[in-house]
Amino acid sequence: DTAVSQTPKYLVTQMGNDKSIKCEQNLGHDTMYWYKQDSKKFLKIMFSYNNKELIINETVPNRFSPKSPDKAHLNLHINSLELGDSAVYFCASSHTAGLAVVTGELFFGEGSRLTVL
Amino acid sequence: KNEVEQSPQNLTAQEGEFITINCSYSVGISALHWLQQHPGGGIVSLFMLSSGKKKHGRLIATINIQEKHSSLHITASHPRDSAVYICAVLRGAQKLVFGQGTRLTINP
Repeated sequence: DTAVSQTPKYLVTQMGNDKSIKCEQNLGHDTMYWYKQDSKKFLKIMFSYNNKELIINETVPNRFSPKSPDKAHLNLHINSLELGDSAVYFCASSHTAGLAVVTGELFFGEGSRLTVL
Repeated sequence: KNEVEQSPQNLTAQEGEFITINCSYSVGISALHWLQQHPGGGIVSLFMLSSGKKKHGRLIATINIQEKHSSLHITASHPRDSAVYICAVLRGAQKLVFGQGTRLTINP
């Protein structure tokens, strides 16, 4: 039973298109994240949601719009894709005590490799 | 300069060797994570610690808050330990800042 699942795993698309990546966790966690890993394998946080509320928006272009329909889901929609958006996108979840410090370890999805041509 | 620096960037060792990966950070943190990224790309959380030392099997993680430094040790290393090890510090409630990773290769 996969704890954090992302779909699709691979996504190849043309510049200018709009695409979505979905993420679901079955751990009962209250906080979910999107991270971007660039071609140099450097990870950087994009967004975090706590109980469906946006907590962190780390200077991500507004072409990226996260949507959290419920605590178990955090989807990432990207408009007008650019070449520089090519990366691996990781979803993760954890348990927090409200907005206090993350109390436990992070669980990551397997990543979604986005290639923009 | 990154807020989180790891050393070495690459490490190759023989099976059975004792491995140490270092992480230094320059900001105030509430906790520190060690992550393992497999060659296939998946990321697994190894430890989260805010003080002292934690041990899990052959892995040991330590942190010195005053010196802003953490180490990850692997005893009796094995080829299956080959992976990228990533240090990440928790700033504030939920923001993780990552090091650049250490690529470890253990040869049989």
